[in-house]
Amino acid sequence: DIVMTQSPDSLAVSLGERATINCKSSQSVLYSGDNRNYFAWYQQKPGQPPKLLINWSSIRESGVPDRFSGSGSATDFTLTISSLQAEDVAVYHCQQYSSFPPTFGQGTKVEIK
Amino acid sequence: QLQLQESGPGVVKPSETLSLTCTVSGGSISTTGNPFYWGWIRQPPGRGLEYLGAVDHLGSAYQKTSLKSRVTISVDTSKNQFSLKLRSVTAADTAVYYCTRVVNTGEGGRGYLDSWGQGALVIVSS
Repeated sequence: DIVMTQSPDSLAVSLGERATINCKSSQSVLYSGDNRNYFAWYQQKPGQPPKLLINWSSIRESGVPDRFSGSGSATDFTLTISSLQAEDVAVYHCQQYSSFPPTFGQGTKVEIK
Repeated sequence: QLQLQESGPGVVKPSETLSLTCTVSGGSISTTGNPFYWGWIRQPPGRGLEYLGAVDHLGSAYQKTSLKSRVTISVDTSKNQFSLKLRSVTAADTAVYYCTRVVNTGEGGRGYLDSWGQGALVIVSS
């Protein structure tokens, strides 16, 4: 199985500041046949199921604020929250769907400083 | 709007079988062209997410290899439901179990998860 490793495990950011979360995969999730990264980000607020934020490494789901952006390719990916809002407090998970089974990172907890 | 709802016992005894059903509303499991799988994810308390497997509307199931001998995932299109059975449970199977819709991105039951149930906490305890 592909191992997904997120960093940091947690971070505290002031309101309005930038938050950056990294995710590294043990194998490339970039498929040469279509040049797409089979990679997604999810947000999980306390007591709620995860919510899909970004797929194909950089495509925001409908309704996701544009302060959330995804970047990276192959084995290294980043989720950036450009200006942290109070409602962004959550655990963020990365996921690869390049091979079966899809696997997730351990999660990164984002809090307000 | 698509909604998924898990149902089943909240407590299961060790060595017994965990059984959960997911009822889908606001959309049909039987979508022409097979654009979706229907999957199960679990999250042990305070831990990360684990993909258990998925099934398509024709009944083709894909289970995580390490659990394959214990897991059965099936679909009942007449009821718009799909189900999970996990045999011979231990305390390590205690988790919140989510049913999800998986956007089909290729062969073999993989994709990203665009719709989730609220989750069902299952505790394995005697």
